[in-house]
Amino acid sequence: RKEVEQDPGPFNVPEGATVAFNCTYSNSASQSFFWYRQDCRKEPKLLMSVYSSGNEDGRFTAQLNRASQYISLLIRDSKLSDSATYLCVVNLGGSNYKLTFGKGTLLTVNP
Amino acid sequence: GAGVSQSPSNKVTEKGKDVELRCDPISGHTALYWYRQSLGQGLEFLIYFQGNSAPDKSGLPSDRFSAERTGGSVSTLTIQRTQQEDSAVYLCASTTSGARGPQYFGPGTRLLVL
Repeated sequence: RKEVEQDPGPFNVPEGATVAFNCTYSNSASQSFFWYRQDCRKEPKLLMSVYSSGNEDGRFTAQLNRASQYISLLIRDSKLSDSATYLCVVNLGGSNYKLTFGKGTLLTVNP
Repeated sequence: GAGVSQSPSNKVTEKGKDVELRCDPISGHTALYWYRQSLGQGLEFLIYFQGNSAPDKSGLPSDRFSAERTGGSVSTLTIQRTQQEDSAVYLCASTTSGARGPQYFGPGTRLLVL
């Protein structure tokens, strides 16, 4: 099993659609979870942290399922500006300072 | 406040030359990371600095790569005798709290080795 695995994508959706990204991680001792977005030829930027109880930030909702070692990101009412690559990021727990990045899922929101 | 800055933003060099890439972390951030991202690929961890502790160099791909962090702030990544496969975007990130918190990235240095 890969350390952090994401939907391969790409996802192409119309404006206003709801889209969900999934991610699994290998180590049940993992402590921290994040979603980052990366625009073309730009650096990754933190979108949101993921908390055990789930959390929401506007149109974005993140969920964590520790039993299944699975995190998700839901984007509602998608906008053209949401087009980017979404990276699942996990502290796998072995070395307590390392974050492991998934390869990302490309989202394109079409008019 | 100021974010992570990196310089140069772009670097074109000839195979066999040495290059130095610089990173200025966010003020007060004690942890600093270097990553590499090749075209269409994920982030590859290179090296980690935390305060005055010995750096974790486990991600450096060869002994041509080295990095230092002076005074607990600015870091320099050096690639000696560059090869074409070194062409990539080199990203620096910093954070205050080690792995528990998120990392904040600089804009990267795009390195092209001809």
